[in-house]
Amino acid sequence: KAGVTQTPRYLIKTRGQQVTLSCSPISGHRSVSWYQQTPGQGLQFLFEYFSETQRNKGNFPGRFSGRQFSNSRSEMNVSTLELGDSALYLCASSPRGVTTDTQYFGPGTRLTVL
Amino acid sequence: GEDVEQSLFLSVREGDSSVINCTYTDSSSTYLYWYKQEPGAGLQLLTYIFSNMDMKQDQRLTVLLNKKDKHLSLRIADTQTGDSAIYFCAESMDTGGFKTIFGAGTRLFVKA
Repeated sequence: KAGVTQTPRYLIKTRGQQVTLSCSPISGHRSVSWYQQTPGQGLQFLFEYFSETQRNKGNFPGRFSGRQFSNSRSEMNVSTLELGDSALYLCASSPRGVTTDTQYFGPGTRLTVL
Repeated sequence: GEDVEQSLFLSVREGDSSVINCTYTDSSSTYLYWYKQEPGAGLQLLTYIFSNMDMKQDQRLTVLLNKKDKHLSLRIADTQTGDSAIYFCAESMDTGGFKTIFGAGTRLFVKA
């Protein structure tokens, strides 16, 4: 089985722009979670999607949004980029999105905001 | 509240045991995890423990859970240079949806 894939792997944007990141989960996995990793804040939970519905959301401003498609692929969008949005964005998939599942992480998308 | 804390650095000599500690605050956590992240890579699940267990052993890894003190530890026996990485402690909970809270990560340095 192919692992979790994220595209693009690297991205450079300027302040005020918007960006869309993509995550393809492992085949058969219906839950996709997104995390932001920064040196100062560590790994912070952004949101979780299951069957095209956002079930859980972390403490991030409304500039951060996401969606999930019927094939379980997910995208996250960040609008009006700020310097502080520079981070590694990780997505993880699991079969059902329950605590007994194992989450599998993708390699991440490294976003740099100039 | 939801918070996971762990020390930031640990340095050991090759062949020694490493012990990485973690404390968490949410008593409703059902599973606690240890992840490993190597430079430039995503997170790899190392092991996990159900919250009603005290200990779990998996080859060189031993996880101890003290639920009363909300303390979790990961012991790596016979630490090798290839074990140098960042280790994240995490707790998960079902809050009407899946959510995992991670600690800041402990950077393990293994000296040859």
